[in-house]
Amino acid sequence: QAVVTQEPSLTVSPGGTVTLTCGSSTGTVTSGHYPYWFQQRPGQAPRTLIYDTRNKHSWTPARFSGSLLGGKAALTLSGAQPEDEADYYCCLSHSGARDWVFGGGTKLTVL
Amino acid sequence: EVQLVESGGGQVQPGGSLRLSCVASGFTFSHSWMSWVRQAPGKGLEWVANIRLDGRDRDYLDSVKGRFTISRDDAKNSLYLQMNSLRVEDTAVYYCARAADGWFADWGQGTLVTVSS
Repeated sequence: QAVVTQEPSLTVSPGGTVTLTCGSSTGTVTSGHYPYWFQQRPGQAPRTLIYDTRNKHSWTPARFSGSLLGGKAALTLSGAQPEDEADYYCCLSHSGARDWVFGGGTKLTVL
Repeated sequence: EVQLVESGGGQVQPGGSLRLSCVASGFTFSHSWMSWVRQAPGKGLEWVANIRLDGRDRDYLDSVKGRFTISRDDAKNSLYLQMNSLRVEDTAVYYCARAADGWFADWGQGTLVTVSS
């Protein structure tokens, strides 16, 4: 089974910009991996921010955006807010959206 | 408002069985693909299973194949996960999730399964 990798932790200043990445042990991440990004605050269920690389849900704050960058999927937060402090998970499909592998998560600190 | 409410979690001994349920409201359940995702205490998320419309098409995490069965009852707006031959490593909060504009659009609050002797 493929392994999906994320930065264990990142720190961003309030108002700053940070990019989280999501790589695959199988090689370059493409749109065919249907990258997803999730936010999970302590004690809460996850919520989906980005699906299929760059698509946002109605509840996704505009300051979040998804892309492909340097062979990985990327989540960019522009203008970080204190409430953005959370764990962020990506997941990829290596089988045409039939099964999914989550990354280990990135703990984002806004400080 | 979309609501997904899981139940059926609890403590069970290794080798035992549990059946999780997820009752859906606020959307047309029979038109929605559904998933189970779990999270071990203090750990990350792990996809467990998917089911498409009418239950005809199902996919599973390799480590649960042959032990877990995902199913649905559209008349009851309910998703299920039958878990047999449970192992200590199956201990986790189990979330159900709905597909809408992509998989995992909406999530329930989860139900805790503890496998321990």
